[in-house]
Amino acid sequence: QVQLVESGGGLVEPGGSLRLSCAASGFIFSDYYMTWIRRAPGKGLEWISYVSNSGVVTNYADSVRGRFTISRDNAKKSLYLQMSGLRVEDTAVYYCVRDFSQNYYDSSGHEYWGQGILVTVSS
Amino acid sequence: QSVLSQPPSASGTPGQRVTISCSGSDSNIGSNYVFWYQQLPGMAPKRLIYRNNQRPSGVPVRFSGSKSGASASLAIIGLRSEDEADYYCAAWDDSLRGWVFGGGTKVTVL
Repeated sequence: QVQLVESGGGLVEPGGSLRLSCAASGFIFSDYYMTWIRRAPGKGLEWISYVSNSGVVTNYADSVRGRFTISRDNAKKSLYLQMSGLRVEDTAVYYCVRDFSQNYYDSSGHEYWGQGILVTVSS
Repeated sequence: QSVLSQPPSASGTPGQRVTISCSGSDSNIGSNYVFWYQQLPGMAPKRLIYRNNQRPSGVPVRFSGSKSGASASLAIIGLRSEDEADYYCAAWDDSLRGWVFGGGTKVTVL
């Protein structure tokens, strides 16, 4: 069965850095775009970034552009999110999510989510 | 401020019908599929409706989705206590080239 397991979260001071990882199993990882989505305390879901199946194409929400970098290693079936210049408002549970395989218009939605990992930015 | 607009809360008694609206624009709902997610407390979101009105296997038939123009809605027909959760609409946005979500609607079963 499909499994997505995040790691690397924790407490970091404002301005600091953190790297999230997501280990995927149960599907052909290199066939799918992958996405990070977060939920801040008391707020709703927010799409953060996606990376194409090859890793060549990426995009970011304006709230994290220039500070976060998404990447993947298909050989290791792993997704990453390098976060720098962290702000208090980046405090959230971050979810690793399997996205579409070819194009967004072929999407059947976000069927598989990790359990989420908490990132707390505080002094 | 979320790109898609949802009411922050909705409620009903067991057995009632509850409808949640989701309003967007031409660049998202108006030209792309709408998806709905349910998030129970402490859990990861779960896909509830895909491609406007399709229900994945295992999702009860009391959940239904619809779309008209740049708006969509989720209906829960025959509300049950286990439906108490946060509900989110989502769509691809052609301008942002990414996914946009509604702010979420908290459904309370009275």
